[in-house]
Amino acid sequence: ETGVTQTPRHLVMGMTNKKSLKCEQHLGHNAMYWYKQSAKKPLELMFVYNFKEQTENNSVPSRFSPECPNSSHLFLHLHTLQPEDSALYLCASSQVGHLNTEAFFGQGTRLTVV
Amino acid sequence: TQLLEQSPQFLSIQEGENLTVYCNSSSVFSSLQWYRQEPGEGPVLLVTVVTGGEVKKLKRLTFQFGDARKDSSLHITAAQPGDTGLYLCAGAGEETSGSRLTFGEGTQLTVNP
Repeated sequence: ETGVTQTPRHLVMGMTNKKSLKCEQHLGHNAMYWYKQSAKKPLELMFVYNFKEQTENNSVPSRFSPECPNSSHLFLHLHTLQPEDSALYLCASSQVGHLNTEAFFGQGTRLTVV
Repeated sequence: TQLLEQSPQFLSIQEGENLTVYCNSSSVFSSLQWYRQEPGEGPVLLVTVVTGGEVKKLKRLTFQFGDARKDSSLHITAAQPGDTGLYLCAGAGEETSGSRLTFGEGTQLTVNP
């Protein structure tokens, strides 16, 4: 039990669909993250939110749109994705301000774009 | 840009053998974490090392942080099939915000019974 919950666990969508990934953390952390994990590649940081404000966007295409309504919830809105966007999308949270940053991850959403 | 290189990328051993995984960088980190990830799941934090030269033990796992805080190693004694998984190291930068982690590519460990 990690304290970070992601839904759905699996998602298959067409290239013209619009869907959203949801993440909720119950750890009282003030920072949340979206990571992309593709086969044989390192974890790629996509977005960072500190205190609900987006502080980092690592050149992610606009077909990925994050939303952070409060420090406990994070969404990733998806539209007009490409097959190469198929991957495991991981949400994480941490407590900003600690030098010993530790990320706690959700179980991920396995996304397949067809 | 801070980079972390892990080696080996793949490791397949027999139950009962010992192994060491390495995590190296040219950058200095304020702390370094090791995670283990099983298929279809998110990474789970194993340990955080903070002080140069620090050694931490978690049952059969021994973690060491280099004196210069640029590298780390994970040693597993008498590996078991349950140790199978992707081992990831991640370094936190020296900036005080502490919000960014740099991940290595991971070491995929398979322990055969």
